[in-house]
Amino acid sequence: AQSVTQLDSQVPVFEEAPVELRCNYSSSVSVYLFWYVQYPNQGLQLLLKYLSGSTLVESINGFEAEFNKSQTSFHLRKPSVHISDTAEYFCAVSDARGGGSNYKLTFGKGTLLTVNP
Amino acid sequence: DAGVTQSPTHLIKTRGQQVTLRCSPKSGHDTVSWYQQALGQGPQFIFQYYEEEERQRGNFPDRFSGHQFPNYSSELNVNALLLGDSALYLCASSLGGSGNTIYFGEGSWLTVV
Repeated sequence: AQSVTQLDSQVPVFEEAPVELRCNYSSSVSVYLFWYVQYPNQGLQLLLKYLSGSTLVESINGFEAEFNKSQTSFHLRKPSVHISDTAEYFCAVSDARGGGSNYKLTFGKGTLLTVNP
Repeated sequence: DAGVTQSPTHLIKTRGQQVTLRCSPKSGHDTVSWYQQALGQGPQFIFQYYEEEERQRGNFPDRFSGHQFPNYSSELNVNALLLGDSALYLCASSLGGSGNTIYFGEGSWLTVV
């Protein structure tokens, strides 16, 4: 079984400031890792994912996350945030055995990122 | 190309009633999963369907049941509704195989009164 801990429930920042949303996971097996974003009254959208290879993964809108196996972490970062980045961010894991990225996701409780002008 | 579509978007039910939520997966996707997202919480996995069979199930009681049709669309049924079943129900679809992205619909908001 896996579990995910998102260490901050809310993160307020000013526009153009850097931000880090923290995610730690627990698992007895190898995992795939994901960040999803949820805008108000919408479903979840995949932001980025780590399956294998380079531990640093990037999204098209400037976010990046680094898989750290020894720290069991997958923190999300952006060097300069915009008002439009205001949303709830969810970290998730899935079992990597047998093509597990297509199987169930275990989510953290989410971090509400609020970008203020 | 339509993404994952869910219906209805909002509904209100009374305790003890039954509800059916519907989901059409993204075109070409053969795997459908359902998640429950309570207010202020992350989504929790209910179950997953592949080739019309339940492949995995999360920690939900038997009051929660589902079905997948030959066209890959799916239904989530909840019997004997409790106040605690009030939540956003999310459908997710994907194409079978390692590394494929899971896409989510916008959800069905269920309020039990």
